[in-house]
Amino acid sequence: DTGVSQDPRHKITKRGQNVTFRCDPISEHNRLYWYRQTLGQGPEFLTYFQNEAQLEKSRLLSDRFSAERPKGSFSTLEIQRTEQGDSAMYLCASSLEGGNTEAFFGQGTRLTVV
Amino acid sequence: AQSVTQLDSQVPVFEEAPVELRCNYSSSVSVYLFWYVQYPNQGLQLLLKYLSGSTLVESINGFEAEFNKSQTSFHLRKPSVHISDTAEYFCAVSYNTDKLIFGTGTRLQVFP
Repeated sequence: DTGVSQDPRHKITKRGQNVTFRCDPISEHNRLYWYRQTLGQGPEFLTYFQNEAQLEKSRLLSDRFSAERPKGSFSTLEIQRTEQGDSAMYLCASSLEGGNTEAFFGQGTRLTVV
Repeated sequence: AQSVTQLDSQVPVFEEAPVELRCNYSSSVSVYLFWYVQYPNQGLQLLLKYLSGSTLVESINGFEAEFNKSQTSFHLRKPSVHISDTAEYFCAVSYNTDKLIFGTGTRLQVFP
């Protein structure tokens, strides 16, 4: 297993366009998380799944954001009608169940909205 | 509100000098504490964690952190840094839930 992988690594889009990112977690991990990191800040929690169920969403996740994990394996994060403020690094992490287990992070998708 | 504070955004230090990166968190009855490191162009990697038991935890590359409940701190230390330790370091806390709350990060820059 090569760890958590994210695709694409970089995405440039025009304001108003829709974008979709993919995350493939470590295969035996049932928890999958999305975070967002802007310049000079630490990662901020967006949402997480246990298997295919989305258990929590941050208020940072506006109506333009939607995340899915249809078969409890890979996940997608879609941003509709992108805005310049959406420019950030989007990080995916996976773990086994439980708050005391290590979360393994992917290298992230850097989104630039122009 | 639950929060993590890393007071130092940047810490410059010479090679072989000691270093301390500070982390404070908002108080809670039950807490798990983590330090993650991010090397240039790489993802976040777990450096060390405190879950329970001994308040002093160590990493394989010489870092250590001490959980201090009375001061709600989890400072990261290394007695002698290397050039290869240059990276961004993030303190994170889990308040008995599954999500991590991160600090804003400290950029450690080691000079020869």
